Amino acid sequence: SQTIHQWPATLVQPVGSPLSLECTVEGTSNPNLYWYRQAAGRGLQLLFYSVGIGQISSEVPQNLSASRPQDRQFILSSKKLLLSDSGFYLCAWSPEGDTQYFGPGTRLTVL
Amino acid sequence: AQSVTQLDSQVPVFEEAPVELRCNYSSSVSVYLFWYVQYPNQGLQLLLKYLSGSTLVESINGFEAEFNKSQTSFHLRKPSVHISDTAEYFCAVSYRGFKTIFGAGTRLFVKA
Repeated sequence: SQTIHQWPATLVQPVGSPLSLECTVEGTSNPNLYWYRQAAGRGLQLLFYSVGIGQISSEVPQNLSASRPQDRQFILSSKKLLLSDSGFYLCAWSPEGDTQYFGPGTRLTVL
Repeated sequence: AQSVTQLDSQVPVFEEAPVELRCNYSSSVSVYLFWYVQYPNQGLQLLLKYLSGSTLVESINGFEAEFNKSQTSFHLRKPSVHISDTAEYFCAVSYRGFKTIFGAGTRLFVKA
């Protein structure tokens, strides 16, 4: 069966510091991968998605970037965090055009 | 632009009462429809989905949703809720591509 992992689970970072969040999927190959952000009391905002290694599509221009160095690994990064980057970050994977399966999330607080 | 509208941001209800969480979407093409549930500080979990076939779909914990193409709706219902159903519920639409559009969520609060 498929499993999706995210780490860290929680993170507190100062403004201006770098960020690296990691997501890995087990039990499937060539998944579509997604990064979402969920701000407090708000819905999901799609940040990036990837249909293959090295293929990244950005949905919202901002302070973040994503990379997919391996088939089942998806990384969300920032060079300098802003206060507005605080939120709950969710990674998800999907067979093409179907259900999305979410990881447990990373709670990021930027101070 | 394609969109998903969840008509209620919060729904308070007493335990054992029925509940309906409303969802409308905009589309002129065939879609897949989903409801996800999110418990505090957790990721989203699939509750049920409509891909094709019967317009009424059910989950294992008593929820059901009906696809209404003419009204472009996919409302979620449960005849009798439990305290444990307290969570946030997201309606989502996939236009059979790479992306899924999520509604803003409805917070269901079940009171004893």
